Amino acid sequence: AQKVTQAQTEISVVEKEDVTLDCVYETRDTTYYLFWYKQPPSGELVFLIRRNSFDEQNEISGRYSWNFQKSTSSFNFTITASQVVDSAVYFCALSRGGGSQGNLIFGKGTKLSVKP
Amino acid sequence: ETGVTQTPRHLVMGMTNKKSLKCEQHLGHNAMYWYKQSAKKPLELMFVYNFKEQTENNSVPSRFSPECPNSSHLFLHLHTLQPEDSALYLCASSRGRGTSRSNEQFFGPGTRLTVL
Repeated sequence: AQKVTQAQTEISVVEKEDVTLDCVYETRDTTYYLFWYKQPPSGELVFLIRRNSFDEQNEISGRYSWNFQKSTSSFNFTITASQVVDSAVYFCALSRGGGSQGNLIFGKGTKLSVKP
Repeated sequence: ETGVTQTPRHLVMGMTNKKSLKCEQHLGHNAMYWYKQSAKKPLELMFVYNFKEQTENNSVPSRFSPECPNSSHLFLHLHTLQPEDSALYLCASSRGRGTSRSNEQFFGPGTRLTVL
C-alpha cells in the first residue's frame, strides 16, 4: 500500500529562520513520483516540485530546497530565510510511475506559520 | 493562477437542495479530478476522468454525481447531502493517462461547501 506521512502537524517560525518540513513515504513500487504542493489561505494547491524515484539529486529553487533520500524513504523540504508569504499548508504526495496515471496520495499536510 | 477555475467559491445548501459545482481548465489537459478536503483529513480523491471517460470512482456515495461533457469542463452534481459532506472540494487537471507528466496535477481554488 502507498502512504505518505507528514509527522509535523504545525510549525511556527519567525521570519528569516530556516525551516524543514518532513515527508516519509511508503510504496512497493520501484518507479514512483514525489511531489510537494503549497496551499495558501486562498485554497488552491500550488505545485512546487515533482521528483521521480530514479533521480536522487537534491534540488534547489531560490529559497526552496528538497532532499530526497531513498534509503530512508524521505523527501524533505527546506525553506531558507522564511518569509511571511511562506505561511501556508504544505502537502507531500506520492504517485505511481511507469506510465500509469499517477493518482496522488497525499499526506495530511504541515501548517507553516511564519511570524514577522 | 493555475489555469483551473472553480465556481462557486462558496456554497451553503440545505440537505434537500440540489446544486452543482463547476470546474474549467484552460491548460489543454485531458484528465480531470475531483478531490474532497475535510478538516484534519488527507485530501481524498473522489473521481477521475480521462478523455471524458470516468476511470475512477473512489467509493463515493451516489449523492455525488460527476459529469464531464468535454475535456475542459467537469461538474459535480450534489443532492440530498449530509452535514458531514461539508468540506473544500478541489478540482484538478493533468495530461491524460499514458502521456508524459500525466501525474502532474494542477488544482483550482476549490469550492467551500457547507451543508446545513
